Amino acid sequence: KNQVEQSPQSLIILEGKNCTLQCNYTVSPFSNLRWYKQDTGRGPVSLTIMTFSENTKSNGRYTATLDADTKQSSLHITASQLSDSASYICVVSAQTGANNLFFGTGTRLTVIP
Amino acid sequence: NAGVTQTPKFRVLKTGQSMTLLCAQDMNHEYMYWYRQDPGMGLRLIHYSVGEGTTAKGEVPDGYNVSRLKKQNFLLGLESAAPSQTSVYFCASSYSTSEAFFGQGTRLTVV
Repeated sequence: KNQVEQSPQSLIILEGKNCTLQCNYTVSPFSNLRWYKQDTGRGPVSLTIMTFSENTKSNGRYTATLDADTKQSSLHITASQLSDSASYICVVSAQTGANNLFFGTGTRLTVIP
Repeated sequence: NAGVTQTPKFRVLKTGQSMTLLCAQDMNHEYMYWYRQDPGMGLRLIHYSVGEGTTAKGEVPDGYNVSRLKKQNFLLGLESAAPSQTSVYFCASSYSTSEAFFGQGTRLTVV
Protein backbone atom coordinates (compact mmCIF):
# COMPACT_ATOMS: atom_id res chain seq x y z
CA LYS A 1 0.00 0.00 0.00
CA ASN A 2 1.30 3.44 -0.91
CA GLN A 3 1.74 5.49 2.24
CA VAL A 4 3.55 8.57 3.45
CA GLU A 5 4.26 9.07 7.13
CA GLN A 6 5.64 12.21 8.70
CA SER A 7 7.13 12.92 12.08
CA PRO A 8 6.82 14.65 14.39
CA GLN A 9 3.16 15.64 14.17
CA SER A 10 3.97 18.97 15.74
CA LEU A 11 7.04 20.86 16.82
CA ILE A 12 7.69 24.06 18.74
CA ILE A 13 11.08 25.74 18.48
CA LEU A 14 12.63 29.05 19.43
CA GLU A 15 13.30 31.61 16.76
CA GLY A 16 16.81 31.22 15.38
CA LYS A 17 17.05 27.50 16.13
CA ASN A 18 17.31 24.73 13.56
CA CYS A 19 14.93 21.81 13.15
CA THR A 20 14.51 18.69 11.04
CA LEU A 21 11.28 17.15 9.83
CA GLN A 22 11.05 13.53 8.71
CA CYS A 23 9.16 11.75 5.96
CA ASN A 24 9.04 7.99 5.33
CA TYR A 25 7.25 6.55 2.34
CA THR A 26 6.33 3.25 0.73
CA VAL A 27 5.20 4.67 -2.63
CA SER A 28 6.22 2.59 -5.61
CA PRO A 29 7.24 3.05 -8.35
CA PHE A 30 8.75 6.28 -7.08
CA SER A 31 8.83 9.37 -9.26
CA ASN A 32 9.60 12.31 -7.02
CA LEU A 33 9.12 13.74 -3.56
CA ARG A 34 8.08 17.27 -2.77
CA TRP A 35 7.95 19.24 0.42
CA TYR A 36 5.11 21.72 0.60
CA LYS A 37 4.63 24.57 3.07
CA GLN A 38 1.07 25.37 4.08
CA ASP A 39 0.45 28.58 5.96
CA THR A 40 -2.69 28.74 8.08
CA GLY A 41 -5.71 29.38 5.89
CA ARG A 42 -3.78 29.01 2.66
CA GLY A 43 -3.14 26.31 0.10
CA PRO A 44 0.10 24.30 0.09
CA VAL A 45 3.05 25.77 -1.82
CA SER A 46 5.94 23.69 -3.12
CA LEU A 47 9.33 24.24 -1.43
CA THR A 48 11.53 21.60 -3.04
CA ILE A 49 11.37 18.59 -5.33
CA MET A 50 13.61 15.55 -5.04
CA THR A 51 13.99 12.99 -7.80
CA PHE A 52 15.43 9.50 -7.46
CA SER A 53 19.00 10.53 -8.24
CA GLU A 54 19.13 13.54 -5.92
CA ASN A 55 20.40 13.34 -2.36
CA THR A 56 20.24 16.95 -1.25
CA LYS A 57 18.58 20.11 -2.46
CA SER A 58 18.46 23.54 -0.88
CA ASN A 59 16.04 26.42 -1.17
CA GLY A 60 17.33 29.25 0.96
CA ARG A 61 17.18 28.16 4.59
CA TYR A 62 15.39 24.94 3.63
CA THR A 63 17.43 21.83 2.81
CA ALA A 64 15.79 18.60 1.77
CA THR A 65 17.50 15.21 1.70
CA LEU A 66 16.43 11.98 0.10
CA ASP A 67 17.58 8.43 0.71
CA ALA A 68 15.85 6.41 -2.00
CA ASP A 69 17.19 3.14 -0.62
CA THR A 70 15.59 3.53 2.80
CA LYS A 71 12.71 5.59 1.38
CA GLN A 72 13.27 8.45 3.75
CA SER A 73 13.41 12.19 3.32
CA SER A 74 14.07 15.04 5.68
CA LEU A 75 13.52 18.77 5.59
CA HIS A 76 16.01 20.82 7.57
CA ILE A 77 15.21 24.40 8.44
CA THR A 78 18.13 26.58 9.45
CA ALA A 79 17.96 29.69 11.62
CA SER A 80 14.19 29.53 11.93
CA GLN A 81 12.06 32.63 11.61
CA LEU A 82 8.58 33.39 12.90
CA SER A 83 7.34 33.19 9.31
CA ASP A 84 8.39 29.53 9.18
CA SER A 85 5.42 28.71 11.40
CA ALA A 86 3.28 26.54 9.15
CA SER A 87 2.45 22.95 8.29
CA TYR A 88 4.99 21.11 6.18
CA ILE A 89 3.61 18.38 3.99
CA CYS A 90 5.58 15.62 2.30
CA VAL A 91 4.07 14.54 -1.02
CA VAL A 92 5.35 11.56 -2.96
CA SER A 93 4.51 11.01 -6.62
CA ALA A 94 4.29 7.59 -8.18
CA GLN A 95 5.43 7.15 -11.76
CA THR A 96 2.12 6.00 -13.11
CA GLY A 97 -1.46 7.22 -13.11
CA ALA A 98 -3.07 10.61 -12.67
CA ASN A 99 -4.13 9.64 -9.15
CA ASN A 100 -0.47 9.38 -8.23
CA LEU A 101 0.07 11.91 -5.43
CA PHE A 102 0.36 10.57 -1.91
CA PHE A 103 0.24 13.00 0.97
CA GLY A 104 1.62 12.84 4.46
CA THR A 105 -0.46 14.30 7.27
CA GLY A 106 2.06 17.07 7.79
CA THR A 107 4.18 18.45 10.61
CA ARG A 108 2.84 21.53 12.31
CA LEU A 109 5.82 23.80 13.11
CA THR A 110 5.47 26.71 15.51
CA VAL A 111 8.35 29.13 15.89
CA ILE A 112 8.18 31.26 19.01
CA PRO A 113 10.17 34.41 19.80
CA ASN B 1 -1.42 34.83 -13.79
CA ALA B 2 -3.94 34.23 -11.04
CA GLY B 3 -2.94 30.55 -10.74
CA VAL B 4 -5.69 28.48 -9.15
CA THR B 5 -8.73 30.37 -7.90
CA GLN B 6 -11.46 28.87 -5.76
CA THR B 7 -14.86 30.33 -5.03
CA PRO B 8 -16.36 30.77 -2.55
CA LYS B 9 -13.77 31.02 0.24
CA PHE B 10 -16.28 30.32 3.01
CA ARG B 11 -19.74 28.83 3.11
CA VAL B 12 -22.19 27.58 5.71
CA LEU B 13 -24.83 25.11 4.57
CA LYS B 14 -27.74 23.45 6.27
CA THR B 15 -27.96 19.68 6.12
CA GLY B 16 -29.59 18.64 2.88
CA GLN B 17 -28.76 21.79 0.94
CA SER B 18 -26.77 21.66 -2.25
CA MET B 19 -23.93 23.79 -3.53
CA THR B 20 -21.20 23.95 -6.12
CA LEU B 21 -17.58 24.89 -5.55
CA LEU B 22 -15.81 26.43 -8.49
CA CYS B 23 -12.15 26.00 -9.34
CA ALA B 24 -10.53 27.95 -12.15
CA GLN B 25 -6.92 27.77 -13.38
CA ASP B 26 -5.20 29.91 -15.96
CA MET B 27 -2.06 27.81 -16.47
CA ASN B 28 -3.47 25.57 -19.21
CA HIS B 29 -3.02 22.51 -17.00
CA GLU B 30 -4.51 19.24 -18.10
CA TYR B 31 -4.86 17.71 -14.65
CA MET B 32 -7.17 19.08 -11.97
CA TYR B 33 -7.99 17.72 -8.54
CA TRP B 34 -10.35 18.25 -5.63
CA TYR B 35 -9.12 17.42 -2.13
CA ARG B 36 -10.54 17.74 1.32
CA GLN B 37 -8.41 18.43 4.37
CA ASP B 38 -9.55 17.47 7.85
CA PRO B 39 -7.73 17.92 11.16
CA GLY B 40 -5.12 15.23 11.76
CA MET B 41 -5.50 13.82 8.28
CA GLY B 42 -3.60 14.41 5.10
CA LEU B 43 -5.18 15.81 1.99
CA ARG B 44 -7.56 13.22 0.59
CA LEU B 45 -8.46 13.08 -3.07
CA ILE B 46 -12.17 13.36 -3.83
CA HIS B 47 -12.24 13.43 -7.62
CA TYR B 48 -9.81 14.32 -10.35
CA SER B 49 -9.72 15.02 -14.06
CA VAL B 50 -7.02 14.36 -16.64
CA GLY B 51 -8.58 16.56 -19.26
CA GLU B 52 -11.64 18.41 -20.48
CA GLY B 53 -14.70 16.21 -20.40
CA THR B 54 -13.13 13.50 -18.24
CA THR B 55 -13.43 12.85 -14.52
CA ALA B 56 -12.52 10.02 -12.18
CA LYS B 57 -13.11 9.05 -8.57
CA GLY B 58 -10.47 9.49 -5.95
CA GLU B 59 -10.15 8.14 -2.45
CA VAL B 60 -13.32 9.67 -0.93
CA PRO B 61 -15.83 10.37 -3.75
CA ASP B 62 -19.11 9.52 -2.01
CA GLY B 63 -21.52 12.43 -1.69
CA TYR B 64 -19.71 14.52 -4.32
CA ASN B 65 -19.98 14.98 -8.07
CA VAL B 66 -17.71 16.86 -10.45
CA SER B 67 -17.71 18.23 -13.94
CA ARG B 68 -14.97 19.46 -16.29
CA LEU B 69 -16.82 21.05 -19.16
CA LYS B 70 -14.01 23.50 -19.86
CA LYS B 71 -10.31 22.84 -19.49
CA GLN B 72 -9.81 25.72 -17.10
CA ASN B 73 -12.71 24.93 -14.76
CA PHE B 74 -13.37 22.05 -12.40
CA LEU B 75 -16.62 22.08 -10.44
CA LEU B 76 -17.30 20.16 -7.24
CA GLY B 77 -20.93 19.61 -6.33
CA LEU B 78 -22.60 18.53 -3.12
CA GLU B 79 -26.14 17.41 -3.89
CA SER B 80 -27.29 16.95 -0.30
CA ALA B 81 -24.81 18.27 2.22
CA ALA B 82 -24.11 16.33 5.41
CA PRO B 83 -22.27 17.41 8.56
CA SER B 84 -19.53 14.87 7.68
CA GLN B 85 -18.74 17.07 4.69
CA THR B 86 -17.65 19.92 6.93
CA SER B 87 -14.06 20.40 5.83
CA VAL B 88 -11.62 22.60 3.96
CA TYR B 89 -11.66 21.88 0.26
CA PHE B 90 -8.66 22.46 -1.97
CA CYS B 91 -8.49 22.45 -5.71
CA ALA B 92 -5.21 21.82 -7.48
CA SER B 93 -3.95 21.63 -11.04
CA SER B 94 -0.82 20.30 -12.71
CA TYR B 95 0.88 19.28 -15.92
CA SER B 96 0.77 15.50 -15.85
CA THR B 97 2.79 14.35 -12.83
CA SER B 98 4.63 17.60 -12.23
CA GLU B 99 4.14 20.09 -9.41
CA ALA B 100 0.58 20.57 -8.25
CA PHE B 101 -0.53 24.16 -7.70
CA PHE B 102 -3.17 24.65 -5.05
CA GLY B 103 -5.95 27.15 -4.60
CA GLN B 104 -6.52 29.03 -1.37
CA GLY B 105 -9.15 26.63 -0.12
CA THR B 106 -12.86 26.76 0.66
CA ARG B 107 -13.94 26.36 4.25
CA LEU B 108 -17.32 24.63 4.28
CA THR B 109 -19.42 24.12 7.39
CA VAL B 110 -22.54 21.98 7.28
CA VAL B 111 -24.88 22.45 10.24
